[in-house]
Amino acid sequence: EAGVTQFPSHSVIEKGQTVTLRCDPISGHDNLYWYRRVMGKEIKFLLHFVKESKQDESGMPNNRFLAERTGGTYSTLKVQPAELEDSGVYFCASSQGTPEAFFGQGTRLTVV
Amino acid sequence: ILNVEQSPQSLHVQEGDSTNFTCSFPSSNFYALHWYRWETAKSPEALFVMTLNGDEKKKGRISATLNTKEGYSYLYIKGSQPEDSATYLCAFTLAGGSYIPTFGRGTSLIVHP
Repeated sequence: EAGVTQFPSHSVIEKGQTVTLRCDPISGHDNLYWYRRVMGKEIKFLLHFVKESKQDESGMPNNRFLAERTGGTYSTLKVQPAELEDSGVYFCASSQGTPEAFFGQGTRLTVV
Repeated sequence: ILNVEQSPQSLHVQEGDSTNFTCSFPSSNFYALHWYRWETAKSPEALFVMTLNGDEKKKGRISATLNTKEGYSYLYIKGSQPEDSATYLCAFTLAGGSYIPTFGRGTSLIVHP
């Protein structure tokens, strides 16, 4: 069974550009979470989808971040325009019916 | 705002040493406590999910205990090996909400040969 996959694994963009991160959850998992870890700090929750609906987006930093999950399968997280403080590792996780969340390998975003 | 604290922030030990770290979390409305092992550039790997007060779980040389009444969990590594070097993350899930894990900052363990 394939795990949670994220694309790209690394992205380096200039300030002001747009970047779109993608997450493919484990097939059949209704819950999909986005998290971000800034260097030296904790992994912070961004938002939670249940199928295609945003259940909780209280962790989204500002309106430069837009997450979608059309069709309730994969999800995208777009940052537009990117700022320096957006640099970090963006994790996606999925779960179904249990408290255990399975994580992807993360996308390391560097904004220069 | 949920506060999940992990200590120490980092730890250097010699191969063969045993070590332990702490995770503290709110003691009310507890649902689950998770431990993850995260090597950079890889997915955080789930080690344990614990839900009951007094739970003890073991996986090889790694074990964990849970005290939900006082709000802490310990992770133990017996006879540390260089391949145990990683960041160990704990996450707490609150009951009655969306069951979203809230993470601590992690303990970075480096085991020197």
